[in-house]
Amino acid sequence: DAGVIQSPRHEVTEMGQEVTLRCKPISGHDYLFWYRQTMMRGLELLIYFNNNVPIDDSGMPEDRFSAKMPNASFSTLKIQPSEPRDSAVYFCASSLGVGYQPQHFGDGTRLSIL
Amino acid sequence: QQQVKQSPQSLIVQKGGISIINCAYENTAFDYFPWYQQFPGKGPALLIAIRPDVSEKKEGRFTISFNKSAKQFSLHIMDSQPGDSATYFCAASPWSNDYKLSFGAGTTVTVRA
Repeated sequence: DAGVIQSPRHEVTEMGQEVTLRCKPISGHDYLFWYRQTMMRGLELLIYFNNNVPIDDSGMPEDRFSAKMPNASFSTLKIQPSEPRDSAVYFCASSLGVGYQPQHFGDGTRLSIL
Repeated sequence: QQQVKQSPQSLIVQKGGISIINCAYENTAFDYFPWYQQFPGKGPALLIAIRPDVSEKKEGRFTISFNKSAKQFSLHIMDSQPGDSATYFCAASPWSNDYKLSFGAGTTVTVRA
């Protein structure tokens, strides 16, 4: 079975540009999570969705960040305008249900803002 | 601040040795404690998890020990192998509708052949 699929795997762009990261969760999973990983701050939860509805976006750092889930098989995380401090690895994860269910992570998007 | 404190930041162990990673938490609402393993260029993957109704859980060479009164839990990797070289994250969450994992800072384990 296909796991969580993220694209692109790598993104290098200039400061001020719009960046869109994409995620396809595992089919049938009803929770989707966006994380950011940096050396300084580790793994941070940015936002999560349940049945395509955003539940908690308290981890979104600024208004420059936005996330959408238009359907059960697709989500985007957008940064506009991007800044060098946004450079990080962004992970998408999905899970089936709540409680003691594992989160399945994609392989991430390594984002570099010059 | 991080709700789960993990140590050490890194460790080196010889093949066949034991790796021990420790985590501590303060939030008494936490009642699910998974460990994730991450290889370079990959996302974290669930390795093993424990609930506080047991003090130990073993899966193959990996064992979680849990001390509820001390609010501490640890991962032991027995007979460490070079393929175990990875970064390990402990995490915690409350079993509720607030379904958010809090991750530790991670421990990079290097197993020398």
